[in-house]
Parts: sequence; structure tokens; C-alpha cells
Amino acid sequence: AQKVTQAQTEISVVEKEDVTLDCVYETRDTTYYLFWYKQPPSGELVFLIRRNSFDEQNEISGRYSWNFQKSTSSFNFTITASQVVDSAVYFCALKGFKTIFGAGTRLFVKA
Amino acid sequence: KAGVTQTPRYLIKTRGQQVTLSCSPISGHRSVSWYQQTPGQGLQFLFEYFSETQRNKGNFPGRFSGRQFSNSRSEMNVSTLELGDSALYLCASSTALEGNTEAFFGQGTRLTVV
Repeated sequence: AQKVTQAQTEISVVEKEDVTLDCVYETRDTTYYLFWYKQPPSGELVFLIRRNSFDEQNEISGRYSWNFQKSTSSFNFTITASQVVDSAVYFCALKGFKTIFGAGTRLFVKA
Repeated sequence: KAGVTQTPRYLIKTRGQQVTLSCSPISGHRSVSWYQQTPGQGLQFLFEYFSETQRNKGNFPGRFSGRQFSNSRSEMNVSTLELGDSALYLCASSTALEGNTEAFFGQGTRLTVV
């Protein structure tokens, strides 16, 4: 069975703080894909990153970085120097045969 | 280019009625997926279509159905609505079924069943 766990329901930080959103997954598939999406108040999910199971290279994109560790089945997301505009719900997702989303982490960034 | 368009954006229906939601994917995208988002259950996969064929289905009752047309536009239908069907229904389109493609989401249709 597939499962995605985002243990942090809500996180509140002050602007310019760094914040890490955790994602732990379970799957028996050998080939799978991991995603992070951002859902602002407007409702649509915005794609942030995709990783396949064979690519454990970490990635940095501006203030965003992702740490994929297959050994611990984790795909964590860090925002450096957070900004108010980062306030949103962030979802981690796993796609093997089907796509499974985590419950999401609501991030509040206060000015 | 235009993004994924979902219509209507908001809908209020009565228990027992049926409803049809529409999704127009990005031009050139042949895969359309549907998701239900509720505060209690989160984001749940409903089904995925590619080239007019349902390729994948989530764990929803038969009251939930969908289809895809030759122009890749997709509709989903919910019959005999229940209060628990109140949710945000999101549609996503991508170029292919495989996971190694980015999915673009619409703004969703918010369905309220009263």
C-alpha cells in the first residue's frame, strides 16, 4: 500500500525564518515519483518539484530546497528566508500506480 | 497559453440530485485527472483519463463517474448526491500518464450539497 505522511499540520514562522516541511512516504513500488505542491487560498495546486525514485540528488531553486533520502523514505522541503507570500498549504504527493497526497501542512508566515 | 479551466467554479445542489463538472485541459495535454478535496479526507484521487479511456480509478463509489472526449476535455458526474459529497473538486492535466510529467491544476469547482 502507498502512504504519504505529513506530520506537521500547521507551522507558524516569522518572516525571514527558515522552515522545513517534512514528508515521509511508504511504497512497495521500485519506480515512483514524488512531488511537492503549493495550494494558495485561491485553490489551485501549484507544482513545485518532481523527483523520481532513482534520483536522490537534492535540489535548490531560489529560496526552495528539497532533500530526498530514500534510506529514510523522506522528501523534505525547506524554505529559506520565508516570506509572507509563502503562506499556503503545501502538499507532498507520491505517484506509483496511483497518486497519493499527504494531508498537507499549512504554513503561516507572519510579517 | 491558457491554463486548466474548470466550470462551474461554485455549485449548490440538493441531496439526491446529480451534478456534472467540466474540465478543459491545457491545449495538447491528453491526460486528465480528478481529485476530491475535503477538510476531513484531504486530497483523494478519483480517476485518470488518457485518450478517452479511464486508466486509473480511486476508491470511490459508482455514483462517481467520468469521461473524456476526443478533444481531451473531461467531465465528471456524481449521481444521487449526498451531504458528504460537498468538496472542492480539482482537475489536473498533463501531457502523459507517466509520473515523470508535471500536472497542472485548475482552480477547482466547489460543490455544496444541502
